[in-house]
Formats: sequence, C-alpha cells, structure tokens
Amino acid sequence: DAGVIQSPRHEVTEMGQEVTLRCKPISGHDYLFWYRQTMMRGLELLIYFNNNVPIDDSGMPEDRFSAKMPNASFSTLKIQPSEPRDSAVYFCASSLTLRGHNLDTQYFGPGTRLTVL
Amino acid sequence: GNSVTQMEGPVTLSEEAFLTINCTYTATGYPSLFWYVQYPGEGLQLLLKATKADDKGSNKGFEATYRKETTSFHLEKGSVQVSDSAVYFCAPWGRRALTFGSGTRLQVQP
Repeated sequence: DAGVIQSPRHEVTEMGQEVTLRCKPISGHDYLFWYRQTMMRGLELLIYFNNNVPIDDSGMPEDRFSAKMPNASFSTLKIQPSEPRDSAVYFCASSLTLRGHNLDTQYFGPGTRLTVL
Repeated sequence: GNSVTQMEGPVTLSEEAFLTINCTYTATGYPSLFWYVQYPGEGLQLLLKATKADDKGSNKGFEATYRKETTSFHLEKGSVQVSDSAVYFCAPWGRRALTFGSGTRLQVQP
C-alpha cells in the first residue's frame, strides 16, 4: 500500500496567488482529514469528509479556504487568495470506520510545506 | 469539546535514559486515547493507543496506560535511543475526530 499521497511536497507562491493542495487517501478508507501545522498554533484540524461528504468544516480559518472531495480517491484544499500567514505544513490523513465507530488509526501523508511570500 | 495538555518541550535526554512525557485531557465520557509520533520531515504516525480504562498501549518499547481517575495517558520508555528523537503528540478521540496536544519535542543525545 502506498499510503496517503500528497502533492506537491513543497509549494512557494506569492501573496494573492491561488494555491491547490492535493491528497489521495488510502484505498478503501472512508474518512479524510485536512490538518494545518504551524509553530504558533500546533496541529489544527481544518475539515474532514466521510464518504466524500464534508462533515465538519468549522476549523477552516476563513472563506479563502475551500476543500472538495469529488470522489473517494481524491481531495483538494484550495486557498484563494493566499496570504503570508497561510504559510504552514498541510497534512492530509485518512482512516477507516470499524463497526460504525471511527475509532481506528488515522494515517497521515507526508505533508505539503507551503510558503507564501 | 476535548482538550489536551502536554508537558512542554524540548525534553533532552541522554541515550538509555528513562522517558516520561505527561499528558492529561478533558473529555466527555471515556474516549479512546492515542499517542502519535512525528519524525523530522515526516507526517504523524500512530505510536500506540488504548481504548478503555486501565488498558495499556505499547509499541517499540513505549508504553502508556489509560488512567480514568486522573484523566491521564502518560508516555514512558525505559531506555531511549537517538532514533527516538521526534515530536510526540497525545490525542484523545473526540466526537468525530482526534484532538491533538501541542506536541512534545524529544531530543536524545548519544
């Protein structure tokens, strides 16, 4: 199994540009999570999906952020327009529901390091 | 919602020293508890977990016991190695997702 795949691994962009981060979860997993990690705020949950449907987006910082999951094998996190304070490492994770209770392990991707100049 | 308090790092130890990283949490009910580890430049990966009170999770020489009475899940290892240098996150399971602590950086010196 290839694990959770994220692309790109590194992204450097200028303020005001659109940024799209991509994630491919582990095949068969029904939950997908997007996290952001910074030194100041630690690891924050942004949004998560169940069976491609967004369940909780209360962690999305503002309207400049949007996330989609058009199918079970792909998700995107978009920032438009980007700002320097968006600089962070963005992680995608997936997990599999067991017996109706999502208590299983979350598998994290390697992350995308975003730098907004 | 849930919250987690971890001891602040960095924790600096010599090789073969004993490790304790404290973690306490507040939660509704008795959630499953997890420790995740993040090695430099990588994503988080599960280290161990415990699903009910008095359970002990263990992996790679690390252990943590689910203490309901003290709402704690302290991480321990009897003899650390340089390769254990990483950031460790305590995380109770919330209503639908994990709540991560701030992380504790461990530095093990040879």
